[in-house]
Amino acid sequence: SQQGEEDPQALSIQEGENATMNCSYKTSINNLQWYRQNSGRGLVHLILIRSNEREKHSGRLRVTLDTSKKSSSLLITASRAADTASYFCATDQGNNRLAFGKGNQVVVIP
Amino acid sequence: EAGVVQSPRYKIIEKKQPVAFWCNPISGHNTLYWYRQNLGQGPELLIRYENEEAVDDSQLPKDRFSAERLKGVDSTLKIQPAELGDSAVYLCASSSQREGGTGELFFGEGSRLTVL
Repeated sequence: SQQGEEDPQALSIQEGENATMNCSYKTSINNLQWYRQNSGRGLVHLILIRSNEREKHSGRLRVTLDTSKKSSSLLITASRAADTASYFCATDQGNNRLAFGKGNQVVVIP
Repeated sequence: EAGVVQSPRYKIIEKKQPVAFWCNPISGHNTLYWYRQNLGQGPELLIRYENEEAVDDSQLPKDRFSAERLKGVDSTLKIQPAELGDSAVYLCASSSQREGGTGELFFGEGSRLTVL
């Protein structure tokens, strides 16, 4: 079964605005990862947050993890047209299997 | 350094025909994954290799799908015979071994299969 449910499923924002998307999961995890996928391309790793971490930054990305609520959020600040893509969260459930969510389509309007 | 290489990028076949996909992982990555991604969905794991051993193939439909990773490097995924529902993007990914769980996966561009 697939873990990780992103919310909202589709997001349309103006360039320069912030984009926030959430991910929920059901079982305990070792870590949670976010990936980006441009149309017709493979997935690209963005950031990994371990289960004992609460927040992590990478450039314009900010990820939070709340293990008590089994949820994570990805914030993209000052969005650009090039950020238009699908974003997936993926959970490492401790069996070396990375389970992906359904994805969150983000459209940044120039 | 070259990334994960997959071929073919696109394949169109008629149902009941066989098809094969090839993947060359990043050099030195001992773990190799095959995922299937349906339109509008996230990738779903089909099989995971540690070197040449298939350590997680519980989600591989073994009646028609097969995979191999000879010498622990390149891998092929085969479908025989293909069905209409097999139309999807087949993604290969690789990673290096690390402590503390699954690390970053490096994905290829995928092989898009259309079964008519």
